[in-house]
Amino acid sequence: ELTQPPSVSVSPGQTARITCSGDVLPNQYAYWYQQKPGQAPVLVIHKDSERPSGIPERLSGSTSGTTVTLTISEVQAEDEADYYCQSADSSGTMLFGGGTKLTVL
Amino acid sequence: QVQLVQSGPEVKKPGASVKVSCKASGYTFTESGLTWVRQAPGQGLEWMGWISPSRGNTNYAQKFQGRVTMTTDTSTATAYMELRSLKSDDTAVYYCARLELVGAPDWGQGTLVTVSS
Repeated sequence: ELTQPPSVSVSPGQTARITCSGDVLPNQYAYWYQQKPGQAPVLVIHKDSERPSGIPERLSGSTSGTTVTLTISEVQAEDEADYYCQSADSSGTMLFGGGTKLTVL
Repeated sequence: QVQLVQSGPEVKKPGASVKVSCKASGYTFTESGLTWVRQAPGQGLEWMGWISPSRGNTNYAQKFQGRVTMTTDTSTATAYMELRSLKSDDTAVYYCARLELVGAPDWGQGTLVTVSS
């Protein structure tokens, strides 16, 4: 099980931090997806902290023990979306967090 | 570039089955696993299972064991997900996605399955 806060709110230009906690995280990579209404999810962070090509440097991932964090610096209106963390357990079962709605005030 | 193109929306009655297809292009189909994820209206992402096109082996989420079958046709680079004994709470958008390790860098556009009497 992966646990995320249901919502995070920030003003434009501020930094947003979205956490994801789970017992598998010290031993398994974490992935982050951004999903905007009516669209498929987009991978924004893979293997804990790597950015796929085309993802802005403002988005970064970090890990500490059983918690991983997605940090969005200099938040812009276009960052408003749902964000999901994802990992897997040792049997290959994929796990998703419940999702966090990022609101840009 | 990688593309995953899914079949169109479906409307089914309770108790029926649905089979969603996912046609892949832009990469070697047998070199990546494929996963299926669904999203009920207003809800989060729910993992259903994955399949290895090269070996045909599968790993289904416990919730769907016995009710879901994932297959692939390597000759057409197409994956299929069949869900049986549909209930109203199976109404959701169903996504296929290409796997790298256990992450999914590429997703289909989604297929809306509506279960209604």
